[in-house]
Amino acid sequence: QQQVKQSPQSLIVQKGGISIINCAYENTAFDYFPWYQQFPGKGPALLIAIRPDVSEKKEGRFTISFNKSAKQFSLHIMDSQPGDSATYFCAAIPNTGNQFYFGTGTSLTVIP
Amino acid sequence: EPEVTQTPSHQVTQMGQEVILRCVPISNHLYFYWYRQILGQKVEFLVSFYNNEISEKSEIFDDQFSVERPDGSNFTLKIRSTKLEDSAMYFCASSTHMNTEAFFGQGTRLTVV
Repeated sequence: QQQVKQSPQSLIVQKGGISIINCAYENTAFDYFPWYQQFPGKGPALLIAIRPDVSEKKEGRFTISFNKSAKQFSLHIMDSQPGDSATYFCAAIPNTGNQFYFGTGTSLTVIP
Repeated sequence: EPEVTQTPSHQVTQMGQEVILRCVPISNHLYFYWYRQILGQKVEFLVSFYNNEISEKSEIFDDQFSVERPDGSNFTLKIRSTKLEDSAMYFCASSTHMNTEAFFGQGTRLTVV
């Protein structure tokens, strides 16, 4: 059973455009939702995270939108740059545990 | 900036051998984790460790696997009788508290031949 569903699997965006990656979950016990960025051969690096008491969080060009009733959250990358080309994973953690449930990842390519 | 460090970066082992993957978590962190990522797939949870004992483990983490914190800084993952399907990137992570952000190391690429 896939706890966190992520889409799209891959995404190609023009430089300066907006990249949008979506995730959905079922388990209402999840209450922490981080996004990780991973470059080839490297470990996942925390990008931004949100808790369900807010609907949006913005850090620089990265924004998480969170819809608690729909059990969906998304990552928006504004003014996408070639250096943003990487794989992005959403994740969710339950309020009673430590296990990160990762999505399947989105390979983002930003073309100049 | 503090970081999680893992050694070795790449380990090649023969099927059936035992391997030990090593990690040094961030010094003031209390929770430690191992995850693995098979090439091209998502990151999968193996185990979490707190207060010198396993706090959670996944179905993947069977008797073939064990973890240890042998001293105040290292955190190790032992894989006994390695199989071809154990080939993956293994990531160590740590966090200050439960239910919060975790910081990942660069990973150890394990290749079983």
